[in-house]
Amino acid sequence: AQSVAQPEDQVNVAEGNPLTVKCTYSVSGNPYLFWYVQYPNRGLQFLLKYITGDNLVKGSYGFEAEFNKSQTSFHLKKPSALVSDSALYFCAVRDGVDSSYKLIFGSGTRLLVRP
Amino acid sequence: EAGVTQSPTHLIKTRGQQATLRCSPISGHTSVYWYQQALGLGLQFLLWYDEGEERNRGNFPPRFSGRQFPNYSSELNVNALELEDSALYLCASSLVSSGGGEQYFGPGTRLTVT
Repeated sequence: AQSVAQPEDQVNVAEGNPLTVKCTYSVSGNPYLFWYVQYPNRGLQFLLKYITGDNLVKGSYGFEAEFNKSQTSFHLKKPSALVSDSALYFCAVRDGVDSSYKLIFGSGTRLLVRP
Repeated sequence: EAGVTQSPTHLIKTRGQQATLRCSPISGHTSVYWYQQALGLGLQFLLWYDEGEERNRGNFPPRFSGRQFPNYSSELNVNALELEDSALYLCASSLVSSGGGEQYFGPGTRLTVT
């Protein structure tokens, strides 16, 4: 069965410091991996995706993510955090053999960037 | 380019009533997905429509249903509302033919059942 785990409910980081939000996944076929961000009372905004190719993927707002097949991980990173990055972050996976195209989401990680 | 739109923003219903939520996809997108974001349960896949047909549904009872219109907009209907149906309902659209294409989400409809 497909699944996504975000082991940290909350990540705290000081502005200007690097941040990492962790995600691990389990699928039967090749994974299609996504990161989304949700601000209060808003829908989800797409940040980046990994389908194939380079393991380091760059996305919106300076975020990047590293795909690690052996560790089945897709951690979200940013070299220098901003207070405005404070939000709820979701990792999602689609199983490449699943013709439903549905996304399976992790439970979300709240990022708090302090000034 | 306009994003995914949803209406209404908020909806308050009483138990046993029916709720209708609406979604307009990004222009050119043929697929619409519905997700439920309930407190403590996270984001769960509800339904997928493409080219007017229901293609897949998640683990929800039949009182959750919907349809997709010729212009690719979609409607989610929830019958016989229960208190636990209170949640944020998110609609997303994508180009299904793009395979690994990302889904773009609307702002959601917050349904409150009293």
